[in-house]
Amino acid sequence: EEQLVESGGGLVKPGGSLRLSCAASGFTFSNAWMNWVRQAPGKGLEWLGRIKSRVVGETLDYAAPVKGRFTISRDDSKNTLYLQMNSLNIEDTAMYYCTTDLQERYFGAWGQGTLVTVSS
Amino acid sequence: EIVLTQSPATLSLSPGERATLSCRASESVSTYLAWYQQKPGQAPRLIIYGASNRASGIPARFSGSGSGTDFTLSISSLEPEDFAFYYCQQRDNWPPAFTFGPGTKVDVK
Repeated sequence: EEQLVESGGGLVKPGGSLRLSCAASGFTFSNAWMNWVRQAPGKGLEWLGRIKSRVVGETLDYAAPVKGRFTISRDDSKNTLYLQMNSLNIEDTAMYYCTTDLQERYFGAWGQGTLVTVSS
Repeated sequence: EIVLTQSPATLSLSPGERATLSCRASESVSTYLAWYQQKPGQAPRLIIYGASNRASGIPARFSGSGSGTDFTLSISSLEPEDFAFYYCQQRDNWPPAFTFGPGTKVDVK
């Protein structure tokens, strides 16, 4: 069974940085395309970005609102996905989920999420 | 960018009743549409992909239909655990970007 566990969330001041991790198990992580999705409190779901597998060059795609501020990476030796977030602002306050990619179009498995709060 | 709209915003029904949720795309997405269920305090869960394919472990009372711009998620007979938020989702071809609808809340009448 695919399992994803996010960590690294917490309280950060505006303008600060944070790195989230997502530990994967139960599937061949190195072959998986992975995504980050977030959900602000009481709001809907927002896709942030995707990283493809090494065999296709670890190609990155980002949503326009976070391009240039957020960076997705992966360490296949550790079965771990990362999200580096810089220049954080209050609007980045959200639950952050990592997900597997299904058929290049959908989000298969989801982690339980990690909460990021941006506040002074 | 393709925009998804969902209706109604809230659907108030009783257990055992049939639920019909709608998702409309601003332009054709063929059958490349998914539905997710989210319960309070939990992560979303994929229930339908490719417009009509049930994800692994999803009960047969859930069904999806539609193509092009109009899609429907049906729950044939609501169980207590089905009261939740439901989101539809699609992916733009280029540049690759995933969008979600605003969601429909199915609550107890």
